[in-house]
Amino acid sequence: NAGVTQTPKFRVLKTGQSMTLLCAQDMNHEYMYWYRQDPGMGLRLIHYSVGEGTTAKGEVPDGYNVSRLKKQNFLLGLESAAPSQTSVYFCASTTTGSYEQYFGPGTRLTVT
Amino acid sequence: GEDVEQSLFLSVREGDSSVINCTYTDSSSTYLYWYKQEPGAGLQLLTYIFSNMDMKQDQRLTVLLNKKDKHLSLRIADTQTGDSAIYFCAESGPNNNDMRFGAGTRLTVKP
Repeated sequence: NAGVTQTPKFRVLKTGQSMTLLCAQDMNHEYMYWYRQDPGMGLRLIHYSVGEGTTAKGEVPDGYNVSRLKKQNFLLGLESAAPSQTSVYFCASTTTGSYEQYFGPGTRLTVT
Repeated sequence: GEDVEQSLFLSVREGDSSVINCTYTDSSSTYLYWYKQEPGAGLQLLTYIFSNMDMKQDQRLTVLLNKKDKHLSLRIADTQTGDSAIYFCAESGPNNNDMRFGAGTRLTVKP
């Protein structure tokens, strides 16, 4: 099993550009999450999904959209990137009854 | 909102014990966690404790919870250079959808 994978690993965007980050998991997990990690701060939840076709807002959802068309994939979109969105983005997944969230390796995004 | 706080840096010598501390504010926390992040990798769960427990031991790891003071600690015995990483404290309610993380403590182990 590959676990949780994220594509791409690194990306540099100019202000105003758009992009989509892909998260994929092969563990048949129901729940998937997108976090951002900034220096000196804990991970902050952007959006999450409790199942295929469902999404919900987390702590810092503004400027991001998500979709969960297939159970194994959770996409994070930035429609018009801003320098404040420079961060490391982590995807995670878990299943019902599990205490553990399984994390991907992260995507480092720089917006100039 | 509810906060989870931890010191940012800790340096120890190989073979010593490391103690990483965390405080949280949400009195309704159900689970408390310690995650480890190695360079260039995602977070991995090290251990967790239910809020109705005081202590949990797992090989070199000991977790202590003082629910009255909302204080959680992670002790690593016989710390090795491979333990160098960032350690995140986190807490959640009964489900995982409301997990809140501290900023992480960077542990450096010197030979």
